[in-house]
Amino acid sequence: DGGITQSPKYLFRKEGQNVTLSCEQNLNHDAMYWYRQDPGQGLRLIYYSQIVNDFQKGDIAEGYSVSREKKESFPLTVTSAQKNPTAFYLCASKDEVWGYTFGSGTRLTVV
Amino acid sequence: DQQVKQNSPSLSVQEGRISILNCDYTNSMFDYFLWYKKYPAEGPTFLISISSIKDKNEDGRFTVFLNKSAKHLSLHIVPSQPGDSAVYFCAAGYTSGSARQLTFGSGTQLTVLP
Repeated sequence: DGGITQSPKYLFRKEGQNVTLSCEQNLNHDAMYWYRQDPGQGLRLIYYSQIVNDFQKGDIAEGYSVSREKKESFPLTVTSAQKNPTAFYLCASKDEVWGYTFGSGTRLTVV
Repeated sequence: DQQVKQNSPSLSVQEGRISILNCDYTNSMFDYFLWYKKYPAEGPTFLISISSIKDKNEDGRFTVFLNKSAKHLSLHIVPSQPGDSAVYFCAAGYTSGSARQLTFGSGTQLTVLP
């Protein structure tokens, strides 16, 4: 059963800490994306990767970092430089056309 | 600068009636449009899409209309069912971009009343 898995579902972070959100897919998709959702706003693109070992900044990349060492995996690190990290984070992968598949999300809360 | 706008944050409709969700865009390069449905604490799921070469696409109870001159698209759900209650996002992209990134609207919360 192909799909995309995000973990953990809920994450709490103390101020000043870095945290890493996991995203794994077994759909054999080359492209992967990280989005952030805030209340009353759409999904905003943080980073994307079209192929292994390559990634590009999206619209709101500041305070975030990513890596793409394997096709299946695209982890997102929320660094202490991110001023307002509390949000719902969504990972997606895409086929060659417009077929996006989203994970079920990680809710990050700064405590 | 919001390139994709959903100006109605919420919509309530009686079960069995038509739901119409609207979306406007400003970037004339967009040539592919999608609608996603999202439940709380879950990822969006694809609903229906339309290419700019068409003005209508239908899939069961869901129909998307595209008016390129007005840069406007709408999603019609007929008949509406309580299970349709969710947040609906419209998204747009352009096929000339190799990354085929999507730009999302802010979403409309649809509530279908029994």
